[in-house]
Amino acid sequence: GAVVSQHPSRVICKSGTSVKIECRSLDFQATTMFWYRQFPKKSLMLMATSNEGSKATYEQGVEKDKFLINHASLTLSTLTVTSAHPEDSSFYICSARDASGGGYYGYTFGSGTRLTVV
Amino acid sequence: KNQVEQSPQSLIILEGKNCTLQCNYTVSPFSNLRWYKQDTGRGPVSLTIMTFSENTKSNGRYTATLDADTKQSSLHITASQLSDSASYICVVSANSGGYNKLIFGAGTRLAVHP
Repeated sequence: GAVVSQHPSRVICKSGTSVKIECRSLDFQATTMFWYRQFPKKSLMLMATSNEGSKATYEQGVEKDKFLINHASLTLSTLTVTSAHPEDSSFYICSARDASGGGYYGYTFGSGTRLTVV
Repeated sequence: KNQVEQSPQSLIILEGKNCTLQCNYTVSPFSNLRWYKQDTGRGPVSLTIMTFSENTKSNGRYTATLDADTKQSSLHITASQLSDSASYICVVSANSGGYNKLIFGAGTRLAVHP
């Protein structure tokens, strides 16, 4: 089945630094990937849609200069949290969409990245 | 407004017992409905997916039902195990401008106790 690898699983960084999170589709090509943020005991909140070879589409209220997304290949999307602050601490999850057949898309999620900004 | 509501918010059951989780949605136009299991600190893992024409789908001890008329779905877990402790998320896919938009429920947090 489709596998999405997300790295790192945990990261601690100092305020003001930048952190890059990678999301890779291991056995399929993903022209579209998604980045989510999840607060404790809450469901996933879509931050942006990442399209290979074009600019990401950000959801309302998400700062595109704060959360930089690059989708340079069909198997890799990256999310960079720039000038991180403690309020950026959260669980970030990526998802890749594949044409799984049966008339609908499959959405496979990465294992998530726990970001802590100190 | 597209919405997915899940109940109960949390549930505690004893190992070996069955349970049923509910999902009501107001999503249009409806494309499909998915159930995911999310372990703490992990990403969601797909359990089932159902389109408009399907009213039941099983995956091992998990059985999902869909009533497209009443816009309700349920996830039934049989003979629960400790490893079933997780959040279960109902996700409805809506057709939006030629692509699918996922609408997430808040999830049901299930705890299975020995």
